[in-house]
Parts: sequence; C-alpha cells; structure tokens
Amino acid sequence: GESVGLHLPTLSVQEGDNSIINCAYSNSASDYFIWYKQESGKGPQFIIDIRSNMDKRQGQRVTVLLNKTVKHLSLQIAATQPGDSAVYFCAEMAGGFKTIFGAGTRLFVKA
Amino acid sequence: GAGVSQSPRYKVTKRGQDVALRCDPISGHVSLYWYRQALGQGPEFLTYFNYEAQQDKSGLPNDRFSAERPEGSISTLTIQRTEQRDSAMYRCASSFGTQAYEQYFGPGTRLTVT
Repeated sequence: GESVGLHLPTLSVQEGDNSIINCAYSNSASDYFIWYKQESGKGPQFIIDIRSNMDKRQGQRVTVLLNKTVKHLSLQIAATQPGDSAVYFCAEMAGGFKTIFGAGTRLFVKA
Repeated sequence: GAGVSQSPRYKVTKRGQDVALRCDPISGHVSLYWYRQALGQGPEFLTYFNYEAQQDKSGLPNDRFSAERPEGSISTLTIQRTEQRDSAMYRCASSFGTQAYEQYFGPGTRLTVT
C-alpha cells in the first residue's frame, strides 16, 4: 500500500506508555476541531472531535485538549498499543464544512 | 455495512487526457467532500456538496478541475487536460449531516499522469 507521512515529525513511544501529539492551528475563527488517524494504504479515520466552546473532551483511551488562547490542540492516547501506530492529523473547520488538515505526526509504538 | 467507495483505485493517464474519478458515499449521507492528498501531507480540501448542491469549490486548483453530484449521491471529479502536477491521491469523504459531523473517507484513487 501507499506510504503515508514519509517525512513527517515522528513520535516514538514504548507500548503501554501515554502518547501526546500536538498541533498548532491557524484560524482563530475555527469552531470545530477533529483528530484523524491514517494507517498506511488507508483513508483517514475519525478519532475524536471537539467544539470551540469546550477545552477538553474524552473518548475511549483518547483525550483532546483545546487551548484557544494559543491556538493549540493536543491528542493524548493512554496506554499506547502497537495498533495505534499511524500518522495522526489534526483538522479545523470554520463555518461548518471546509476542513483544513494539519501536517501530521507519525506515531511509532515500540513493543 | 458498506463504506465510501471510490473507483478506479488506480489510474494512469497520459498528459493532456481527461480523467473522471468516481465516489460512492455512504447511503443516506448528505455531505460529500473531495480532497487531494500528496505523499507525506494531510488531505487538501477541494470541494464540498450538500446533497446535489456544490456549496464550496474554493479548493479546486484551476478551471481544469470540476465536480458534480447530480442526484445527491454519487459524485464525479473530472480533471481535463491532465498535467503531471495533478498526480496525487484523490480522496472522497461523506458525512451524515451538513454541519460539523464525522467524515468517513474512501480508499482513494491514485492518479498518475505520465
């Protein structure tokens, strides 16, 4: 399959550790933010989202934090597993449908 | 259940030819998006449909690119007079609603212009 993220920033973590992936977004008018996971040869897959009126949202093993003051978004993955290895993209939306993706971070989980 | 499907999965064409890329969204999804993704980068927004209405085409690179969704379901992205710089992965996504809803992505069409 195609290789995603050949020259992306890489985060390497030990299996079982927590991972934190960071993202700086550009548009202060953005009101909806999403994290996507993309495995090699596949399309992006929705992980979790957050609206601009919130600063934290939790899912299953994942937490998204939003700091609007500095336009920063982070994704925390608890007890990282080998299956979490992928490229992670943050995305922002302003006005409902046009989605702007960030550059991506490759997560590598060492067993 | 069936996800978003795209065809063809791979397309090799000669410079100057026209190509048509097809997207079948998830049944019942009213929103449809087209993206282009270069290797090592995130998807780049091209255009958006709400049912059959093309509500945003601001991401289409130039007038060689066009898209339609005539019956509010299947969509076609057409590139006329292809150029080598058009080579990329073209992805389609659909979502249930018209606002900020989870987008489901298709497997993409890898376009290579020789």
